[in-house]
Amino acid sequence: DQQVKQNSPSLSVQEGRISILNCDYTNSMFDYFLWYKKYPAEGPTFLISISSIKDKNEDGRFTVFLNKSAKHLSLHIVPSQPGDSAVYFCAAPYPTGANSKLTFGKGITLSVRP
Amino acid sequence: EAGVAQSPRYKIIEKRQSVAFWCNPISGHATLYWYQQILGQGPKLLIQFQNNGVVDDSQLPKDRFSAERLKGVDSTLKIQPAKLEDSAVYLCASVLTRGFSEAFFGQGTRLTVV
Repeated sequence: DQQVKQNSPSLSVQEGRISILNCDYTNSMFDYFLWYKKYPAEGPTFLISISSIKDKNEDGRFTVFLNKSAKHLSLHIVPSQPGDSAVYFCAAPYPTGANSKLTFGKGITLSVRP
Repeated sequence: EAGVAQSPRYKIIEKRQSVAFWCNPISGHATLYWYQQILGQGPKLLIQFQNNGVVDDSQLPKDRFSAERLKGVDSTLKIQPAKLEDSAVYLCASVLTRGFSEAFFGQGTRLTVV
C-alpha cells in the first residue's frame, strides 16, 4: 500500500528550463511533506518541505506547491542546472508526533542536459 | 558538524551467509532509523530507535533481521541468513528529537547477495 506515489520514474530537461517533479498521496492525514535529493552512492539529503497550512514554499531555485484537495504536490526547479541531475524523493512523516517516520515515494530520476 | 557515518560502503555475500552493518548517528541525535532501499524503489523503514529503545520494528523481518543500538549511540543491523531479495542499499538516518521530520541520512551500505 503505497501512500506516496511518484508515477513518473524519470524526467529530462534542458539546462536553464524549468523542471517539474510531481508527487501524489493517498492518506488525507498527511500534513507535512518533504523532498529529498539523492546522488549516486550517497544518502538522501533534505531539500525543501511544506506544511499543509501553506500551498507554496520557496527556497532559491526550488519551489514546492501543495494542492490539498487533489492530494498532489510538485517541486519546481527554475532554472535547472546540470548539478540538479539526481533522484528526487517525495516523503511524508506519519503519524504525527513522537513516533513519526518518513514514508517515501519511489523517486524520480531527473537529468538536466547541458 | 559530522554527518551520519555508515560502514561498510559495499558488501557482497553469498546467500545464507550473515552480514552486519554499522551506523554512527550525528552526535546528540536521539532518534535513529534503518531503511532498506531496493533498486527502483523509495527507502522503506525497517526499524526506529529512540535512544537505545525500539519504537517501531513492525517492518523488520525478525526471522532473519536484528538490530540493536548500543548505549543509545551506535547501531548495528544484522541479517542472518541472507536471501537474494535482501540485495539493497541499507540507509541509516538520525534526527535530533522524536517527531522532527528532517532526517539526516548516511551514505548507505550497498549489499549484494549472490
